[in-house]
Amino acid sequence: DIQLTQSPSFLSASVGDRVTITCRASQGISSYLAWYQQKPGKAPKLLIYAASTLQSGVPSRFSGSGSGTEFTLTISSLQPEDFATYYCQQLGSFGQGTKLEIK
Amino acid sequence: QVQLQESGPGLVKPSQTLSLTCTVSGGSISSGGYYWSWIRQHPGKGLEWIGYIYYSGSTYYNPSLKSRVTISVDTSKNQFSLKLSSVTAADTAVYYCARRITIFGVVNWFDPWGQGTLVTVSS
Repeated sequence: DIQLTQSPSFLSASVGDRVTITCRASQGISSYLAWYQQKPGKAPKLLIYAASTLQSGVPSRFSGSGSGTEFTLTISSLQPEDFATYYCQQLGSFGQGTKLEIK
Repeated sequence: QVQLQESGPGLVKPSQTLSLTCTVSGGSISSGGYYWSWIRQHPGKGLEWIGYIYYSGSTYYNPSLKSRVTISVDTSKNQFSLKLSSVTAADTAVYYCARRITIFGVVNWFDPWGQGTLVTVSS
């Protein structure tokens, strides 16, 4: 089974900051990675699929990159509504999550 | 636009079987290319994939739960269901249904998701 490890697990940042979350796969997965955002009490929401394709309706400040074993999710300028937990996913595996908190 | 909605008991006794149904609206569950999925989230924890089913009835389960899980589909009702047997407190979680989109069998993602339903295992 593929293991996905996210870093950091917790991230404190301010509105307007640029932040990057990393997801590392235990073996090469080409560009087959998705990213989700989850807010408390809500279901996860798809942000990016195929490593870098932005889901329709997702703001352009979100971007994804990477291939093989290392992937990144970048938020170019944090907005108040972006403080949430983020997960990466490939097949039936999810990363452990990165909680993004307001500094 | 496709929407999913979970339904079922919120409280299950230990050793009994957890049963949930996901109703799909806005689209047909028989549309090819989609796998209808169950995912759970223990309180305060991350996401755990349980399994998924194709409209034809083909199923794929998480190996760690395979011995206790059954997922079925009812295309006439546009629903799919989850049964998890011999539950314990460790099965207390929010259960989500979601549509898995797959391209060439490897590019895949889950969208949309149901709102989730909390199932508590307790006597």
